[in-house]
Amino acid sequence: QVQLQQSGPGLVKPSQTLSLTCAISGDSVSSNSAAWNWIRQSPSRGLEWLGRTYYRSKWYNDYAVSVKSRITINPDTSKNQFSLQLNSVTPEDTAVYYCARDIGIVGAYYFDFWGQGTLVTVSS
Amino acid sequence: SYELTQPPSVSVSPGQTASITCSGDKLGDKYACWYQQKPGQSPVLVIYQDSKRPSGIPERFSGSNSGSTATLTISGTQAMDEAEYYCQAWDSSIVVFGGGTKLTVL
Repeated sequence: QVQLQQSGPGLVKPSQTLSLTCAISGDSVSSNSAAWNWIRQSPSRGLEWLGRTYYRSKWYNDYAVSVKSRITINPDTSKNQFSLQLNSVTPEDTAVYYCARDIGIVGAYYFDFWGQGTLVTVSS
Repeated sequence: SYELTQPPSVSVSPGQTASITCSGDKLGDKYACWYQQKPGQSPVLVIYQDSKRPSGIPERFSGSNSGSTATLTISGTQAMDEAEYYCQAWDSSIVVFGGGTKLTVL
């Protein structure tokens, strides 16, 4: 059974960097069949996919257009985890952030395991 | 950008069948999946690849996808099925979620 355990601060000041980590158990961040995602949810934006990292002989990233200039998702193979960094945050980045595993076939990936969610508030 | 449209709310009586739709341009040419989310909890996958049920999901949950509409059907709806439901698809390596449908069982 895969488990995803999120950690990171719940309060970030405007213009600073939001940083979260997702620790994986029951699978490997270097899996050749899974990808590791960050998704956020807010009342105004609903569920919003932010991006993912995955390993297919080398590391790849896909990012949502809405955050592409501000986001970095990195794997940490030594700790079997992955991280989210979102730069230059504003109050609009206030949301519950989830990490999630996606798996499946090309064009038919689905999120089968989710972290517990972290409420991140952007406020001074 | 690609969009998925869901009705904001659907109501159903206990024991009846609930149908929640998700519309998108040529959605039938893609794979759709569905998530259930209860207040204060993380989403749970209930249908993937249009019509497959993950292990542990009751048989009363089923899905279909054709044309421009994917449909989540809950047969014999129970009070525990009251939740928000989200559809999701992939478009050009980008994930798209629907806006969510609040299912009320009354």
